[in-house]
Amino acid sequence: NAGVTQTPKFQVLKTGQSMTLQCAQDMNHNSMYWYRQDPGMGLRLIYYSASEGTTDKGEVPNGYNVSRLNKREFSLRLESAAPSQTSVYFCASSWARTGNTEAFFGQGTRLTVV
Amino acid sequence: DQQVKQNSPSLSVQEGRISILNCDYTNSMFDYFLWYKKYPAEGPTFLISISSIKDKNEDGRFTVFLNKSAKHLSLHIVPSQPGDSAVYFCAASAPSGSARQLTFGSGTQLTVLP
Repeated sequence: NAGVTQTPKFQVLKTGQSMTLQCAQDMNHNSMYWYRQDPGMGLRLIYYSASEGTTDKGEVPNGYNVSRLNKREFSLRLESAAPSQTSVYFCASSWARTGNTEAFFGQGTRLTVV
Repeated sequence: DQQVKQNSPSLSVQEGRISILNCDYTNSMFDYFLWYKKYPAEGPTFLISISSIKDKNEDGRFTVFLNKSAKHLSLHIVPSQPGDSAVYFCAASAPSGSARQLTFGSGTQLTVLP
């Protein structure tokens, strides 16, 4: 049972380069999320998708785009990477759009922009 | 403006003793609270949750207490074990028309000393 799978696990980019972080879940969850974790700041929501075909901005969306490719997959794209986007990125999914359900997280992607 | 605050970045406890991790929130719309545990190089894993209609929830060695009037919750771990050493994140969510979004605190590093 894989749960939430993120690729790649590590990436180094040069300023201005682009890349896409991939996320897939096999739990048949409706909602998917992208967070970033920075030292001393906890996890901050970048974008989320309540259900297939919908996406919405979170707390820190600038510099990112997302695609909910199907129910399983939710990708995060950096069009022109900046050093401020150096962070650990986590994808998560949850079953319900509303109600009290916890989110399940992937193992993270550690991104360094130089 | 942080809506969920964990004011203690770190906590050290002797094995077998009680660990108490604290969390404060400011948004009165939050009605569901969770604790996540995170080991290095892994994603956060769900530990325990509590709905705002309750003031206590227990699961084995873990108990979460909620004081709505003080906008405060705490996680008690009894007895603490060395394997509990990790970063603990408090999270909260409010009702939403689409997906529930989790707002995280900055985390507390718990070290349980043998």
